[in-house]
Amino acid sequence: QQPVQSPQAVILREGEDAVINCSSSKALYSVHWYRQKHGEAPVFLMILLKGGEQMRHEKISASFNEKKQQSSLYLTASQLSYSGTYFCGTVEINRDDKIIFGKGTRLHILP
Amino acid sequence: DGGITQSPKYLFRKEGQNVTLSCEQNLNHDAMYWYRQDPGQGLRLIYYSQIVNDFQKGDIAEGYSVSREKKESFPLTVTSAQKNPTAFYLCASSIQGGQEQYFGPGTRLTVT
Repeated sequence: QQPVQSPQAVILREGEDAVINCSSSKALYSVHWYRQKHGEAPVFLMILLKGGEQMRHEKISASFNEKKQQSSLYLTASQLSYSGTYFCGTVEINRDDKIIFGKGTRLHILP
Repeated sequence: DGGITQSPKYLFRKEGQNVTLSCEQNLNHDAMYWYRQDPGQGLRLIYYSQIVNDFQKGDIAEGYSVSREKKESFPLTVTSAQKNPTAFYLCASSIQGGQEQYFGPGTRLTVT
């Protein structure tokens, strides 16, 4: 079941903060976050495991609430380089370790 | 340099023709994946393989076929049965299923 991401798009000024949410109706083993810049391949940011701690990549952090099957990505003091589309991917418990990706959240940072 | 390569970058075909997209990795990864990306749809899983000589259908396997005869290679064939083949195709690999995926640069297929 494809996870639902919100919002679909965000426009920020450089230095502002943003939160991207990812929600699933299934019990999850892990949540992955990737960023894709226009015309490029997606790049891995972080993985959050069931029972694991909050993760961080530079000024980007994420949390995973297993009980609610939700994850949130926090972008602090955004930089121009953060622009792109962010995808969450979920791995459901007992579902062959395949990642199901959401439709993505487009983030545009203005100078 | 370790990585994952896809070729060609752009591919044009006439309707009714089968076409094979190449994906090679030298990362010694066991798992490989094919995704299709359409605007606003995210990454949709076509096929995946967790070990040589074995593969499973993803969510949108109809009209596609794959093989996994070697660990390094996971070619995707888009058959004439695929109703809307024009899309951006991404190949990925991971050490094993459920782990961090490394993506290739993608192949943009246009069928007219």
